[in-house]
Amino acid sequence: SQTIHQWPATLVQPVGSPLSLECTVEGTSNPNLYWYRQAAGRGLQLLFYSIGIGQISSEVPQNLSASRPQDRQFILSSKKLLLSDSGFYLCAWNPDREASEAFFGQGTRLTVV
Amino acid sequence: ILNVEQSPQSLHVQEGDSTNFTCSFPSSNFYALHWYRWETAKSPEALFVMTLNGDEKKKGRISATLNTKEGYSYLYIKGSQPEDSATYLCAFRMDSSYKLIFGSGTRLLVRP
Repeated sequence: SQTIHQWPATLVQPVGSPLSLECTVEGTSNPNLYWYRQAAGRGLQLLFYSIGIGQISSEVPQNLSASRPQDRQFILSSKKLLLSDSGFYLCAWNPDREASEAFFGQGTRLTVV
Repeated sequence: ILNVEQSPQSLHVQEGDSTNFTCSFPSSNFYALHWYRWETAKSPEALFVMTLNGDEKKKGRISATLNTKEGYSYLYIKGSQPEDSATYLCAFRMDSSYKLIFGSGTRLLVRP
C-alpha cells in the first residue's frame, strides 16, 4: 500500500533562517506531488506541484522554492524565512492517472518568530 | 487565476439536521471536482471525485451532485452527527493540467 511521510511535524524558526521540509511517498512510482499551505483562517493554497523528477511548477510568487531530486521525494525550501511564511504546510500526492484523489501527509506547523 | 468558492464559510447545526454546502468553480475546461473532509488534527481525506456533468455520488449519509455547465457542486449531509464536524473542502482540476485548486472550505459544527 502507498504511504506518504512528511516531516517535521512542528517547526519554530527565526526570521531570516533557512527552511527545508521533506515529503516522501512509498509504494508507488511517478506520483504527482503537491505542496499546499493553509494560512490562519484560510483554505489550502497551492504553492508548487510536480509531475516528474526535476519538473516543478510554481503557483505563487514567494521566497519559497521546491525541488524533486528523486521520483518520490519532494522538498520545500527557503533561504530566508519571513514572518508571513508561518502556517500549516501539507504535502500531497496522487497517482499519475485520470481523475484520482489526492492523499495528504500529516502536515508541518511552521512558526516563524 | 482560477477561483474556487465555497459557501457558507461556517455552519452550526443541531444533531439530526440535514445540511448542504456549495462549491463554485470555473465552468470551462472542466476535468474533475473533488470533495474532502478535514477533521481537526488529521489530514484531509477524499470523499468523492466527480468527473461527469450530472454525477451524483453517495457515501453513507453524505452525497454530492455536480453541474459542470454552470460550475457548481453541492455536498449534502443527511441527519448530521457530531462526528460529521469537520471542514469540508472542494478542489477543482482543470482539463490538461495537474493543478488541484482548493476552495477555502466550509467548517461544519454539529451540536449534540
